[in-house]
Amino acid sequence: GAVVSQHPSWVICKSGTSVKIECRSLDFQATTMFWYRQFPKQSLMLMATSNEGSKATYEQGVEKDKFLINHASLTLSTLTVTSAHPEDSSFYICSAREEGKNNQPQHFGDGTRLSIL
Amino acid sequence: AQSVAQPEDQVNVAEGNPLTVKCTYSVSGNPYLFWYVQYPNRGLQFLLKYITGDNLVKGSYGFEAEFNKSQTSFHLKKPSALVSDSALYFCAVRDQAGTALIFGKGTTLSVSS
Repeated sequence: GAVVSQHPSWVICKSGTSVKIECRSLDFQATTMFWYRQFPKQSLMLMATSNEGSKATYEQGVEKDKFLINHASLTLSTLTVTSAHPEDSSFYICSAREEGKNNQPQHFGDGTRLSIL
Repeated sequence: AQSVAQPEDQVNVAEGNPLTVKCTYSVSGNPYLFWYVQYPNRGLQFLLKYITGDNLVKGSYGFEAEFNKSQTSFHLKKPSALVSDSALYFCAVRDQAGTALIFGKGTTLSVSS
């Protein structure tokens, strides 16, 4: 079945560092990918919709200069947390849906646990 | 705006008993409804969906859900719970325009042996 690979699975770094998270659709093309953020014991909050070849669409309250999204190909989207601070520590999950299949479920990566010291 | 409500933070059932995890939704137009399960430090696994057709949909691991349009509900059910079903369950909705899934807050299911 469709698989979404997310890397890395765990990152620990110092405050002020920029961290890049990759999301790949392994066996399908995804014009659109989604980035979510999850706080402990809370739901997934949609951060942005990543569109291949164009700018991402950010949800209200999400800083686009803090969370840079690039969707350079139909199988890869990246999220870069720039100048990360402890409050950026969270679980980040990407998701993708097969191109042209809007009635199909979104497939999720296994998430990235980001810890900023 | 779309929204999903999962009224229970936690559901506790004994192994072998039936379980229900509740979900209600709000969306303009016809909804696309989904259930996902999440295990600790993992992404979400798809369980089942309702797009159109029969109101009772069957999914993975013996789970099923019933779409009730008049009550705007999509409760997740299983006739006989297993300890291994213990996890965090999310209900999600999307409209037909193909926007991103919007999730409920999640319900922790705990099945005791």
